[in-house]
Amino acid sequence: QPVVTQEPSLTVSPGGTVTLTCTSSTGAVTGGYYPNWFQRKPGQAPRTLIYDTSKKHSWTPARFSGSLLGDKAALTLSGVQPDDEAEYYCLIYNGDAWVFGGGTRLTVL
Amino acid sequence: EVQLVQSGAEVKKPGESLKISCKGSGYTFTTHWIAWVRQMPGKGLEWMGIIYPGDSDTRYSPSFRGQVTISADKSLTTAYLQWTSLKASDTAMYYCAKTIVGAPYDFDYWGQGTLVTVSS
Repeated sequence: QPVVTQEPSLTVSPGGTVTLTCTSSTGAVTGGYYPNWFQRKPGQAPRTLIYDTSKKHSWTPARFSGSLLGDKAALTLSGVQPDDEAEYYCLIYNGDAWVFGGGTRLTVL
Repeated sequence: EVQLVQSGAEVKKPGESLKISCKGSGYTFTTHWIAWVRQMPGKGLEWMGIIYPGDSDTRYSPSFRGQVTISADKSLTTAYLQWTSLKASDTAMYYCAKTIVGAPYDFDYWGQGTLVTVSS
């Protein structure tokens, strides 16, 4: 089962842009890993922002985008708002194994 | 409106059994996978397992295989997570989440979570 790694914490200024990444110990994260990205705020259930690498749900703000960057999955926030302060988790599917990353705590300061 | 509604918080003693639930509504229950996810206090999300209610095909994370049982009742449109003998280390928030139709790896809606506290 792979180990999935994310930046433990990142800080971004309001209005700025930040990219969170998701790497796998087994090698490059490709589209076949179907990366999902979730946002979790204190006291709330997680919310799915991105699925299948880059697809958005109807509730996903336009400033969030998913992609592959080199050998990683990435979540980019453009025009960050204070409300984006939260934990973000990636999830990858590797055959019959689903693995979460350790999460990134995003601070908007 | 699509909803996943989980059962209420539980307080149990070590060694007791427990079954928590996740009721789906507003969509075709049998054609979407439902996963269970653990979040221990102060920790990240952990994948536990997933079930396809249409045929009860169930996959477990190696970390949770043999520790819990995932099941589903199509007639009640409800998925379950069950323990036969709880430990203090099972204290956590448990979430269910469903997939988009068909594939087991594209997620959309989440339940509100069930807090399980195991303490003597």
